[in-house]
Amino acid sequence: DADVTQTPRNRITKTGKRIMLECSQTKGHDRMYWYRQDPGLGLRLIYYSFDVKDINKGEISDGYSVSRQAQAKFSLSLESAIPNQTALYFCATSFQGTDTQYFGPGTRLTVL
Amino acid sequence: QQQVKQSPQSLIVQKGGISIINCAYENTAFDYFPWYQQFPGKGPALLIAIRPDVSEKKEGRFTISFNKSAKQFSLHIMDSQPGDSATYFCAARRGYQKVTFGIGTKLQVIP
Repeated sequence: DADVTQTPRNRITKTGKRIMLECSQTKGHDRMYWYRQDPGLGLRLIYYSFDVKDINKGEISDGYSVSRQAQAKFSLSLESAIPNQTALYFCATSFQGTDTQYFGPGTRLTVL
Repeated sequence: QQQVKQSPQSLIVQKGGISIINCAYENTAFDYFPWYQQFPGKGPALLIAIRPDVSEKKEGRFTISFNKSAKQFSLHIMDSQPGDSATYFCAARRGYQKVTFGIGTKLQVIP
């Protein structure tokens, strides 16, 4: 969905490097989420934000941090990347009081 | 602890056949059960959803069956087509809070 964009789409980095994944949305939604997808493990929630001043940990937040710079922008950082953070990362958005989450196209991250 | 258990992890169905994916949940406070469809290289997208006050919901060839007493729900794809080949995620949510996803089922429909 072009309304939710993620950059970069692919990233290869080395162990110990700090990297940032960015998500922007033009849907006007107040809620934003970061998930990682791994084969056999499905989609797991890393962090979520219900508005600019509200940040919450998800199931697997260790090793990650986030920043909600504006209603439309939500960034995910890996302070010191490790190989088991190699995964497909998705940003999603939703609007309070509605049911549907809208996902971005994903970022494929490889940590060597 | 997996709150939403999904099976099978992979499924191969002949064109025209019925694809069935099952999910079970533990938390009786869940009140919204969506299914998301993900094509290769894309993000998941909402396919169909149900609330526990109904036992079945149908949209075209896609049907959700819901069994509240058994805490189970399933997706049926009738007349499966090669274009249905994708990964399907069941999910559950309590109120308008965060969604918990199953592990996904990779469906392949062969001609």
